Amino acid sequence: LAKTTQPISMDSYEGQEVNITCSHNNIATNDYITWYQQFPSQGPRFIIQGYKTKVTNEVASLFIPADRKSSTLSLPRVSLSDTAVYYCLVGVRNSGNTPLVFGKGTRLSVIA
Amino acid sequence: DADVTQTPRNRITKTGKRIMLECSQTKGHDRMYWYRQDPGLGLRLIYYSFDVKDINKGEISDGYSVSRQAQAKFSLSLESAIPNQTALYFCATSRPASTDTQYFGPGTRLTVL
Repeated sequence: LAKTTQPISMDSYEGQEVNITCSHNNIATNDYITWYQQFPSQGPRFIIQGYKTKVTNEVASLFIPADRKSSTLSLPRVSLSDTAVYYCLVGVRNSGNTPLVFGKGTRLSVIA
Repeated sequence: DADVTQTPRNRITKTGKRIMLECSQTKGHDRMYWYRQDPGLGLRLIYYSFDVKDINKGEISDGYSVSRQAQAKFSLSLESAIPNQTALYFCATSRPASTDTQYFGPGTRLTVL
């Protein structure tokens, strides 16, 4: 599985847009990029997935440049409740027998 | 009701004791997973099961064993607990065709004294 690198932590004020970038230089042609969110004392939850360009849902947007060697998770107008750890994962979508590999994630702290 | 449940939610035990953590799901998923989370180390996969007859070791299986009693139940055992197994343990499930979308339980906080 492609290795990912993301910042250990980030701080933001409420109401700001937060962008978390993940590097995955060795991403393979068939790999998708998936992001999970983990609130304190809870299990992670899937928030968004993409292959190229831009994906948007009710929680976040995911921007993927043409070379796909990085991706950016964008959280619009964060609130205190967005304080969480965000994990970037790369792998073949619905990859059958290959389990996910979670890294250390990015700890986002939203300040009032 | 939660789709993925774990029992117990908290457990304190002593070194050398046998401990079983249980996971049940009502999502009807074939695939189940056990992860361990330590501060600053993210999530690490212990064991996973793609169906009742399939068990696979993950990244850190030493000191652990599992049992898949039914599609809905996947148990993790520590045969002889040691202090460095103190951690937060998560169970997760997924559909066979969607292994990158996993659904996690609430976690079990285990402390080994």
